[in-house]
Amino acid sequence: AQTVTQSQPEMSVQEAETVTLSCTYDTSESDYYLFWYKQPPSRQMILVIRQEAYKQQNATENRFSVNFQKAAKSFSLKISDSQLGDAAMYFCAYRSRTGANSKLTFGKGITLSVRP
Amino acid sequence: GAGVSQSPSNKVTEKGKDVELRCDPISGHTALYWYRQRLGQGLEFLIYFQGNSAPDKSGLPSDRFSAERTGESVSTLTIQRTQQEDSAVYLCASSLAAADYNEQFFGPGTRLTVL
Repeated sequence: AQTVTQSQPEMSVQEAETVTLSCTYDTSESDYYLFWYKQPPSRQMILVIRQEAYKQQNATENRFSVNFQKAAKSFSLKISDSQLGDAAMYFCAYRSRTGANSKLTFGKGITLSVRP
Repeated sequence: GAGVSQSPSNKVTEKGKDVELRCDPISGHTALYWYRQRLGQGLEFLIYFQGNSAPDKSGLPSDRFSAERTGESVSTLTIQRTQQEDSAVYLCASSLAAADYNEQFFGPGTRLTVL
């Protein structure tokens, strides 16, 4: 079974600064997806960024980028130029590309606060 | 267009009562998922529906939990004889299909409190 670990329960960043959120995972599969989701107080899960394991290039979406280290099974999220609206819980998630069930396996999440 | 909707938004019930939670997926989405999020935790998979295939119930924590889906539309998650440990946010997600990559779109969840 796959597991996703987020060991930092909370982080804080100054507005306009850069912050990196860590995630490690464990799997015996070679083909999979990794995701970062944002959950604001409204509870709505919002997809921030995804990475296909077969791609060596790290995914980027505007101010969000990842550092994907497949051999180390590490998948960190970097938020540049942090904004007040980035304050939320962030979840790292894994999804297999094989098998019929495309369920997501989530880490416990990290609460990010942004200081003005 | 309309996103995934869930009702009720909040539900308070007494221990031992049955509850029904509803999910309306995005129109045309054949795949539907239920997840549970306990306080301060990540989401746990409960059950998955894909079209007319038999659902994957591997995440249901006990036989008190069940879910149904009518065709490719509404789904209901039923919890019988609720216990305090059932208190959580129950999130529903839908996607176009389970094959290959299709983004799962989440609803706002139902917060269940069992007294």
